[in-house]
Amino acid sequence: KAGVTQTPRYLIKTRGQQVTLSCSPISGHRSVSWYQQTPGQGLQFLFEYFSETQRNKGNFPGRFSGRQFSNSRSEMNVSTLELGDSALYLCASSLSTSGPTDTQYFGPGTRLTVL
Amino acid sequence: AQSVTQLGSHVSVSEGALVLLRCNYSSSVPPYLFWYVQYPNQGLQLLLKYTSAATLVKGINDFEAEFKKSETSFHLTKPSAHMSDAAEYFCAVSDWAGNQFYFGTGTSLTVIP
Repeated sequence: KAGVTQTPRYLIKTRGQQVTLSCSPISGHRSVSWYQQTPGQGLQFLFEYFSETQRNKGNFPGRFSGRQFSNSRSEMNVSTLELGDSALYLCASSLSTSGPTDTQYFGPGTRLTVL
Repeated sequence: AQSVTQLGSHVSVSEGALVLLRCNYSSSVPPYLFWYVQYPNQGLQLLLKYTSAATLVKGINDFEAEFKKSETSFHLTKPSAHMSDAAEYFCAVSDWAGNQFYFGTGTSLTVIP
C-alpha cells in the first residue's frame, strides 16, 4: 500500500505570496492532519479534516486554511506569506475509526522557504 | 489538556550502549502515547504506541517503552544502539478523540562509533 504523499517536496516563495500544498493520504484513510515543524516551535498541529469537514483546528492565524476533497486528498493554503512561515509542513493520515489509539502515518513533508 | 515533555534535547551514546530517551506526560484522561522517529529530510515513522493493553510496549527495531502511571512516564529504550539509530525522536500523546497529536520538542540521538 502506498504511503502518504506530499507535493511539492520543496517550495521557495517570497513574502506576501500565497502557497498551496497537497497531501494524498493512504488509501482508505479518511482523516488528514497537518502539522508545521520548525526548529524553534517543534511540531505544531494546524488542523484535521475528516470526510471533507474540518474537525479540529490548532492555534494558527486565519492565513492558514485547508480543505479536503471527496477522495480524502487534502490541500493546505497559506496566504500572505511571512518569513516565519518557513517550515517543514507535514501531513498525516489515519483511519480514524478507533479514536485516540489511531496511528497517524506521516508523509515526507513539504519544505517551504519564504524569502 | 494533554502534553508531553521530553527531557534532554540531545542525547549521545556509544554504539552498542543502552539508549534511553525520556518522556513524561500530562493528561487529564487516560493517555494514549506514541513514539515516532524522524530521519533527516523525512517524515515521522511510528516506533510504537501505548494503548493500555500492556504497560511494556515493544516496537520496531528493538525499541520498547514502558508506561509508568505512578511516574507519568513513557521512556523509550533500546538495549544496544546502532549507527542507524541516529535520528530525532518524538514522544506524542493523542487527544481523547484521536483527532490531534501533541508532540514533545524532540530528542536528537547521536550514536558515537
